[in-house]
Amino acid sequence: DTEVTQTPKHLVMGMTNKKSLKCEQHMGHRAMYWYKQKAKKPPELMFVYSYEKLSINESVPSRFSPECPNSSLLNLHLHALQPEDSALYLCASSGEQAGRYEQYFGPGTRLTVT
Amino acid sequence: GNSVTQMEGPVTLSEEAFLTINCTYTATGYPSLFWYVQYPGEGLQLLLKATKADDKGSNKGFEATYRKETTSFHLEKGSVQVSDSAVYFCALSDLRGQNFVFGPGTRLSVLP
Repeated sequence: DTEVTQTPKHLVMGMTNKKSLKCEQHMGHRAMYWYKQKAKKPPELMFVYSYEKLSINESVPSRFSPECPNSSLLNLHLHALQPEDSALYLCASSGEQAGRYEQYFGPGTRLTVT
Repeated sequence: GNSVTQMEGPVTLSEEAFLTINCTYTATGYPSLFWYVQYPGEGLQLLLKATKADDKGSNKGFEATYRKETTSFHLEKGSVQVSDSAVYFCALSDLRGQNFVFGPGTRLSVLP
């Protein structure tokens, strides 16, 4: 099973709302990622968790707050977002196969900030 | 740092045509190389991979060979279908596995 699940699939929120995106994987992967993808662009890395600890934060504004409650779950808490934060938010996990790593993506959450 | 360059497209082909999407990379050491495909409205799916020089990754009729001498990983398919219309991303990861670098993506449209 190489599935990464994300909820919700779509989210519309106002600039004063607080919402959370959720991601789950059961592949035993110990690294999990949040990416932001704008239309016609590649994914941009936001955060990396390794063994449930934040290891990379790519200078993301504090209105995005990641959380890794356990090795299978990854959340992204959203607060006071701006319209330019509207994008597809992708979760991914990576694990080792024969000494090499490969990354699996979820279907994404399409976020619209009004 | 590591980087990936690929032809940006869009690439428009007729059904059953031959496809090549070029990808070259810059990296230290021996990265793993990947092709991901993104269908409209979906996330990225791992299409194929190669982990060392001269490895050939293949899946669903697509192939790519890890060429260390030319630092390339070109994607090919002998006969494309309308259902192959998507955006294709070339990517690499370093040995530690945490750092994945994506190319800009190539949009492919296949016409019936």
